[in-house]
Amino acid sequence: GAGVSQTPSNKVTEKGKYVELRCDPISGHTALYWYRQSLGQGPEFLIYFQGTGAADDSGLPNDRFFAVRPEGSVSTLKIQRTERGDSAVYLCASSNTGEWDEQFFGPGTRLTVL
Amino acid sequence: AQSVAQPEDQVNVAEGNPLTVKCTYSVSGNPYLFWYVQYPNRGLQFLLKYITGDNLVKGSYGFEAEFNKSQTSFHLKKPSALVSDSALYFCAVRALYSGAGSYQLTFGKGTKLSVIP
Repeated sequence: GAGVSQTPSNKVTEKGKYVELRCDPISGHTALYWYRQSLGQGPEFLIYFQGTGAADDSGLPNDRFFAVRPEGSVSTLKIQRTERGDSAVYLCASSNTGEWDEQFFGPGTRLTVL
Repeated sequence: AQSVAQPEDQVNVAEGNPLTVKCTYSVSGNPYLFWYVQYPNRGLQFLLKYITGDNLVKGSYGFEAEFNKSQTSFHLKKPSALVSDSALYFCAVRALYSGAGSYQLTFGKGTKLSVIP
């Protein structure tokens, strides 16, 4: 079946602009996660959704970052007033229930802030 | 706080030889451990997990991993390496409890495996 999809695959923006990154989880998966992977590092947790609500947003670095999942399926990660330090690959993952199931990752969105 | 260490940035192995990619972890309570593989320009692919039971777990593509509680390690192994196994490998841990913060996966920095023909 279809895996996790993310759009766009690449996004180049200028410092100070607003960006939205989209994630389509595996159909039926109730849990959704966002991670950020900087060059040469492992992914770092940003936020976790169970259904429509953000169950854990402790990884968001500051209030410029926000994510929504209004219908419990597609999620959008929103970054305001982008900074060069936000440049990274943003990964989305989903899992069946979120309790003990493994997370399945999408291919990521590579964000470059000039 | 939980953490994962992958002490080798790169591992080189000849095709057909056994391979080991090392991982040690730190977590409060019992661990829930994972290995993922990342190919260039592709997302992370799940290989295997350990939650409880037999210390040797088997996963995809002939990989296995051995959990050692006393050494807090979870090394990835394969008896005979293939050139196609060349990729970036990540070990990850989460706490084995329900509740706030428990769903976060903490990843190591990754180990680049190169299998030489």
